[in-house]
Amino acid sequence: GEDVEQSLFLSVREGDSSVINCTYTDSSSTYLYWYKQEPGAGLQLLTYIFSNMDMKQDQRLTVLLNKKDKHLSLRIADTQTGDSAIYFCAESHSSGTYKYIFGTGTRLKVLA
Amino acid sequence: DADVTQTPRNRITKTGKRIMLECSQTKGHDRMYWYRQDPGLGLQLIYYSFDVKDINKGEISDGYSVSRQAQAKFSLSLESAIPNQTALYFCATSDETDGGAGELFFGEGSRLTVL
Repeated sequence: GEDVEQSLFLSVREGDSSVINCTYTDSSSTYLYWYKQEPGAGLQLLTYIFSNMDMKQDQRLTVLLNKKDKHLSLRIADTQTGDSAIYFCAESHSSGTYKYIFGTGTRLKVLA
Repeated sequence: DADVTQTPRNRITKTGKRIMLECSQTKGHDRMYWYRQDPGLGLQLIYYSFDVKDINKGEISDGYSVSRQAQAKFSLSLESAIPNQTALYFCATSDETDGGAGELFFGEGSRLTVL
């Protein structure tokens, strides 16, 4: 079945760039998402990319999609301590579908 | 106030007890979901509902049941709790009419411990 994989941990120094990677298996994915979970809170959508796009930039966030390799990445520029959280990659088939497949989450730790 | 509210936020119970987790939302969304989060496993879908009369099983529905009492309320029950149901449970909603990516809006989670 469909699967989404991420590494579990990433540690970076404050001010550096963070790159969180994700691979997925479903070639029919329509949307790919990055959700952020802060301690004690639910997940919140950070950004998403439509499958016919290669890149999306939103302030400090850059999402890159390599559809051929089924690889998604999230780059956070000038990482701050407030960026410490768990980041989940997810994919869905089409707008409004119930079927979201989530990755295991990558815990980002930002060192001062 | 949160748009998606879960109660209780924390619960410790014993094996065999019946537990209900409640979710209410003020977003006016028809679609509601219950997910379970385990460390290193991501989120797994338990049940979802597209409207009051529509309930569907997710990937891991065994041992769980749900009730959609109104558009705004979706509760999850564990009829006879067992220790491997110890997890963090999330309720979420989405808007089928948003015409976009179908963003999920999550509650803050209910941490359940079954002894």
